[in-house]
Amino acid sequence: GAVVSQHPSWVICKSGTSVKIECRSLDFQATTMFWYRQFPKQSLMLMATSNEGSKATYEQGVEKDKFLINHASLTLSTLTVTSAHPEDSSFYICSGLGTYNEQFFGPGTRLTVL
Amino acid sequence: DQQVKQNSPSLSVQEGRISILNCDYTNSMFDYFLWYKKYPAEGPTFLISISSIKDKNEDGRFTVFLNKSAKHLSLHIVPSQPGDSAVYFCAASATGNQFYFGTGTSLTVIP
Repeated sequence: GAVVSQHPSWVICKSGTSVKIECRSLDFQATTMFWYRQFPKQSLMLMATSNEGSKATYEQGVEKDKFLINHASLTLSTLTVTSAHPEDSSFYICSGLGTYNEQFFGPGTRLTVL
Repeated sequence: DQQVKQNSPSLSVQEGRISILNCDYTNSMFDYFLWYKKYPAEGPTFLISISSIKDKNEDGRFTVFLNKSAKHLSLHIVPSQPGDSAVYFCAASATGNQFYFGTGTSLTVIP
């Protein structure tokens, strides 16, 4: 089956630093990838839609200058949280869109900002 | 390898009838399960959850059943309404908050 990986799975950083999270589709090509944020026991919140070779489409209320998304290849999308603050601490999940519009989710990355 | 599987990519049900969405998992360490509902062009919305200490959780028209021995959970929607038409994802996690998602089942409720 299609597999999406994320790296790192857990990251702790100091306030003010930037953190990069990678999302890879391991055995399929994902022209479109999605980035979500999840708070404990709450719904996933779609942050942005990432399309290979073009700019990401951000959801309302998501700061594009703070959450930088790059989708440079058909198998890799990155999310960089710039100047992270404690309120950015959360669980970030990506997914890749398959051939038949099914979504394959990554395992998530837990970000803790001190 | 998919640790959470939804083997039916689509399901059609008449309005007023019961919708049953199924989900299977392989990891016996999973102890918390979620169902999400997703409309096109929107992010998934949390629907209902169940922990491994229970075998049933009910919230209005939605009931989730967990069969730990079979590593199977199902979502029942009764009665089904046209507004329930969406893609439904199940997700599972073990302690540590790492989630594994199924690929979704597209439910169509026919008026």
